[in-house]
Amino acid sequence: QSALTQPASVSGSPGQSITISCTGTSSDVGGYDYVSWYQQHPGKAPKLIIFDVSNRPSGVSNRFSGSKSGNTASLTISGLQAEDESDYYCSSYTTSSTLEVFGGGTKLTVL
Amino acid sequence: QLQLQESGPGLVKPSETLSLTCTVSGGSIYRSPYYWGWIRQPPGKGLEWIGSISYSRSTYYNPSLKSRVTISVDTSKNQFSLKLSSVTAADTAVYYCARDTDLEATFDYWGQGTLVTVSS
Repeated sequence: QSALTQPASVSGSPGQSITISCTGTSSDVGGYDYVSWYQQHPGKAPKLIIFDVSNRPSGVSNRFSGSKSGNTASLTISGLQAEDESDYYCSSYTTSSTLEVFGGGTKLTVL
Repeated sequence: QLQLQESGPGLVKPSETLSLTCTVSGGSIYRSPYYWGWIRQPPGKGLEWIGSISYSRSTYYNPSLKSRVTISVDTSKNQFSLKLSSVTAADTAVYYCARDTDLEATFDYWGQGTLVTVSS
Protein backbone atom coordinates (compact mmCIF):
# COMPACT_ATOMS: atom_id res chain seq x y z
CA GLN A 1 0.00 0.00 0.00
CA SER A 2 1.45 3.35 -1.09
CA ALA A 3 1.97 6.13 1.41
CA LEU A 4 0.23 8.64 -0.86
CA THR A 5 -3.24 7.93 -2.28
CA GLN A 6 -4.08 8.57 -5.92
CA PRO A 7 -7.13 7.51 -7.94
CA ALA A 8 -6.37 4.44 -10.02
CA SER A 9 -7.69 6.02 -13.20
CA VAL A 10 -9.09 9.22 -14.67
CA SER A 11 -10.27 10.02 -18.16
CA GLY A 12 -11.14 13.00 -20.29
CA SER A 13 -11.80 14.05 -23.85
CA PRO A 14 -9.40 16.05 -26.00
CA GLY A 15 -9.50 19.72 -25.11
CA GLN A 16 -10.95 19.14 -21.66
CA SER A 17 -9.21 19.59 -18.31
CA ILE A 18 -8.66 16.86 -15.74
CA THR A 19 -7.36 16.85 -12.19
CA ILE A 20 -5.50 14.07 -10.40
CA SER A 21 -5.39 14.12 -6.62
CA CYS A 22 -2.65 12.94 -4.29
CA THR A 23 -3.67 12.60 -0.65
CA GLY A 24 -1.24 12.24 2.21
CA THR A 25 -0.96 13.49 5.77
CA SER A 26 0.45 16.41 7.71
CA SER A 27 3.74 14.48 7.84
CA ASP A 28 4.20 14.68 4.11
CA VAL A 29 1.98 16.49 1.59
CA GLY A 30 0.31 18.74 4.16
CA GLY A 31 3.44 19.67 6.05
CA TYR A 32 5.88 20.64 3.30
CA ASP A 33 5.91 22.14 -0.18
CA TYR A 34 7.96 19.24 -1.50
CA VAL A 35 5.44 17.54 -3.78
CA SER A 36 6.45 16.46 -7.26
CA TRP A 37 4.58 14.93 -10.17
CA TYR A 38 5.88 12.56 -12.83
CA GLN A 39 4.57 11.40 -16.20
CA GLN A 40 5.46 7.88 -17.29
CA HIS A 41 4.71 6.47 -20.72
CA PRO A 42 4.73 2.68 -21.15
CA GLY A 43 8.24 1.25 -21.13
CA LYS A 44 9.81 4.62 -20.37
CA ALA A 45 11.38 6.23 -17.35
CA PRO A 46 9.29 8.71 -15.37
CA LYS A 47 9.62 12.37 -16.35
CA LEU A 48 9.44 15.18 -13.82
CA ILE A 49 6.64 17.60 -14.75
CA ILE A 50 5.98 19.47 -11.48
CA PHE A 51 8.21 20.06 -8.45
CA ASP A 52 7.76 21.92 -5.18
CA VAL A 53 3.95 21.69 -5.55
CA SER A 54 3.52 24.05 -8.49
CA ASN A 55 6.80 24.64 -10.33
CA ARG A 56 7.39 23.38 -13.87
CA PRO A 57 10.87 22.35 -15.06
CA SER A 58 12.10 24.06 -18.17
CA GLY A 59 10.51 22.61 -21.29
CA VAL A 60 7.36 21.25 -19.63
CA SER A 61 4.13 22.49 -21.18
CA ASN A 62 2.20 25.13 -19.25
CA ARG A 63 -0.86 22.91 -19.71
CA PHE A 64 0.43 21.10 -16.62
CA SER A 65 -0.13 22.82 -13.28
CA GLY A 66 0.07 21.81 -9.64
CA SER A 67 -1.52 22.98 -6.42
CA LYS A 68 -2.07 21.91 -2.84
CA SER A 69 -4.78 22.28 -0.23
CA GLY A 70 -4.30 20.78 3.18
CA ASN A 71 -3.09 17.20 2.88
CA THR A 72 -4.05 16.88 -0.79
CA ALA A 73 -1.98 17.92 -3.78
CA SER A 74 -3.44 18.11 -7.27
CA LEU A 75 -2.15 17.94 -10.82
CA THR A 76 -4.30 19.63 -13.46
CA ILE A 77 -3.85 19.05 -17.16
CA SER A 78 -5.69 21.52 -19.35
CA GLY A 79 -6.40 21.24 -23.06
CA LEU A 80 -6.03 17.46 -23.00
CA GLN A 81 -4.15 15.96 -25.90
CA ALA A 82 -3.80 12.37 -27.02
CA GLU A 83 -0.11 12.43 -26.05
CA ASP A 84 -1.08 13.10 -22.41
CA GLU A 85 -2.38 9.54 -22.10
CA SER A 86 0.05 8.10 -19.59
CA ASP A 87 0.58 7.10 -15.98
CA TYR A 88 1.09 9.90 -13.45
CA TYR A 89 2.76 9.61 -10.06
CA CYS A 90 3.07 12.05 -7.19
CA SER A 91 5.88 12.04 -4.66
CA SER A 92 6.55 13.86 -1.42
CA TYR A 93 9.13 14.34 1.26
CA THR A 94 7.97 12.84 4.54
CA THR A 95 9.07 13.12 8.14
CA SER A 96 8.44 9.42 8.54
CA SER A 97 11.52 7.20 8.41
CA THR A 98 10.81 6.56 4.72
CA LEU A 99 11.85 10.14 3.81
CA GLU A 100 10.64 10.01 0.21
CA VAL A 101 7.35 8.42 -0.84
CA PHE A 102 5.38 7.93 -4.04
CA GLY A 103 1.71 7.65 -4.76
CA GLY A 104 0.32 4.50 -6.29
CA GLY A 105 -0.07 6.10 -9.70
CA THR A 106 -3.00 7.19 -11.86
CA LYS A 107 -3.68 6.02 -15.39
CA LEU A 108 -4.98 8.84 -17.58
CA THR A 109 -7.04 7.82 -20.59
CA VAL A 110 -7.77 10.36 -23.30
CA LEU A 111 -11.09 9.32 -24.82
CA GLN B 1 22.75 17.60 -20.55
CA LEU B 2 23.03 15.26 -17.60
CA GLN B 3 22.61 11.59 -18.47
CA LEU B 4 22.35 8.54 -16.22
CA GLN B 5 22.79 4.94 -17.32
CA GLU B 6 22.19 1.79 -15.29
CA SER B 7 24.24 -1.35 -15.85
CA GLY B 8 24.35 -4.79 -14.30
CA PRO B 9 23.02 -8.35 -14.62
CA GLY B 10 19.45 -8.77 -15.76
CA LEU B 11 19.03 -12.10 -14.00
CA VAL B 12 19.83 -12.88 -10.37
CA LYS B 13 19.22 -16.13 -8.50
CA PRO B 14 17.12 -16.19 -5.33
CA SER B 15 19.11 -15.57 -2.12
CA GLU B 16 21.94 -13.93 -4.07
CA THR B 17 22.91 -10.25 -4.23
CA LEU B 18 21.64 -7.87 -6.90
CA SER B 19 24.33 -5.38 -7.98
CA LEU B 20 23.75 -2.38 -10.24
CA THR B 21 25.85 0.62 -11.20
CA CYS B 22 24.71 4.01 -12.44
CA THR B 23 27.13 6.03 -14.56
CA VAL B 24 26.57 9.77 -14.64
CA SER B 25 27.72 11.76 -17.68
CA GLY B 26 27.40 15.39 -18.71
CA GLY B 27 27.95 16.63 -15.17
CA SER B 28 29.76 15.88 -11.95
CA ILE B 29 28.39 13.65 -9.25
CA TYR B 30 30.43 15.79 -6.87
CA ARG B 31 27.78 18.49 -6.42
CA SER B 32 25.67 19.79 -3.60
CA PRO B 33 22.71 19.82 -2.88
CA TYR B 34 22.17 16.78 -5.04
CA TYR B 35 21.76 13.22 -3.92
CA TRP B 36 21.80 10.18 -6.19
CA GLY B 37 19.00 7.72 -5.79
CA TRP B 38 17.64 4.33 -6.73
CA ILE B 39 13.95 3.72 -7.40
CA ARG B 40 12.34 0.46 -8.50
CA GLN B 41 9.10 -0.50 -10.19
CA PRO B 42 7.80 -4.09 -10.14
CA PRO B 43 6.09 -5.12 -13.39
CA GLY B 44 2.69 -3.44 -13.65
CA LYS B 45 3.07 -1.69 -10.31
CA GLY B 46 4.08 1.70 -8.89
CA LEU B 47 7.35 3.35 -7.95
CA GLU B 48 9.25 2.64 -4.74
CA TRP B 49 12.15 4.71 -3.44
CA ILE B 50 15.03 2.43 -2.39
CA GLY B 51 17.54 4.95 -1.11
CA SER B 52 19.83 7.87 -1.91
CA ILE B 53 23.45 8.88 -1.36
CA SER B 54 25.29 12.20 -1.43
CA TYR B 55 28.73 12.76 -2.95
CA SER B 56 30.03 12.87 0.63
CA ARG B 57 28.63 9.35 1.14
CA SER B 58 25.72 10.25 3.43
CA THR B 59 23.15 7.53 2.83
CA TYR B 60 19.42 7.27 3.41
CA TYR B 61 17.44 4.08 2.89
CA ASN B 62 13.82 3.02 2.74
CA PRO B 63 13.28 1.28 6.09
CA SER B 64 11.44 -1.57 4.37
CA LEU B 65 14.68 -2.47 2.53
CA LYS B 66 17.33 -1.03 4.82
CA SER B 67 18.56 -4.36 6.21
CA ARG B 68 19.38 -5.58 2.70
CA VAL B 69 20.49 -2.43 0.86
CA THR B 70 23.86 -0.78 0.41
CA ILE B 71 24.35 2.27 -1.81
CA SER B 72 27.86 3.52 -2.49
CA VAL B 73 29.47 6.23 -4.61
CA ASP B 74 32.71 6.39 -6.60
CA THR B 75 33.34 10.05 -7.36
CA SER B 76 36.49 9.24 -9.37
CA LYS B 77 34.37 7.29 -11.86
CA ASN B 78 31.27 9.50 -11.55
CA GLN B 79 29.29 6.41 -10.59
CA PHE B 80 27.09 5.20 -7.77
CA SER B 81 26.01 1.65 -7.06
CA LEU B 82 23.26 -0.42 -5.50
CA LYS B 83 23.57 -3.76 -3.75
CA LEU B 84 20.47 -5.62 -2.59
CA SER B 85 21.14 -8.86 -0.75
CA SER B 86 19.07 -12.00 -0.20
CA VAL B 87 16.80 -11.30 -3.15
CA THR B 88 13.51 -13.07 -3.78
CA ALA B 89 11.02 -13.02 -6.64
CA ALA B 90 9.44 -9.97 -4.98
CA ASP B 91 12.56 -7.99 -5.90
CA THR B 92 11.92 -8.49 -9.62
CA ALA B 93 11.52 -4.98 -10.99
CA VAL B 94 12.78 -2.30 -13.29
CA TYR B 95 15.47 -0.46 -11.35
CA TYR B 96 16.04 3.22 -12.07
CA CYS B 97 18.81 5.52 -10.96
CA ALA B 98 17.98 9.22 -10.68
CA ARG B 99 19.26 12.54 -9.41
CA ASP B 100 17.54 13.48 -6.17
CA THR B 101 17.39 17.16 -5.23
CA ASP B 102 18.27 17.49 -1.55
CA LEU B 103 16.03 14.56 -0.50
CA GLU B 104 12.95 16.61 -1.39
CA ALA B 105 11.44 13.80 -3.49
CA THR B 106 12.33 15.71 -6.66
CA PHE B 107 13.96 13.30 -9.10
CA ASP B 108 14.81 15.46 -12.10
CA TYR B 109 17.06 13.23 -14.19
CA TRP B 110 16.47 9.51 -14.64
CA GLY B 111 18.26 6.61 -16.25
CA GLN B 112 16.33 4.53 -18.76
CA GLY B 113 15.89 1.74 -16.23
CA THR B 114 17.03 -1.87 -16.23
CA LEU B 115 14.87 -4.93 -15.65
CA VAL B 116 16.23 -7.30 -13.04
CA THR B 117 14.53 -10.67 -12.79
CA VAL B 118 15.03 -12.89 -9.75
CA SER B 119 14.72 -16.50 -10.83
CA SER B 120 16.62 -19.76 -10.57
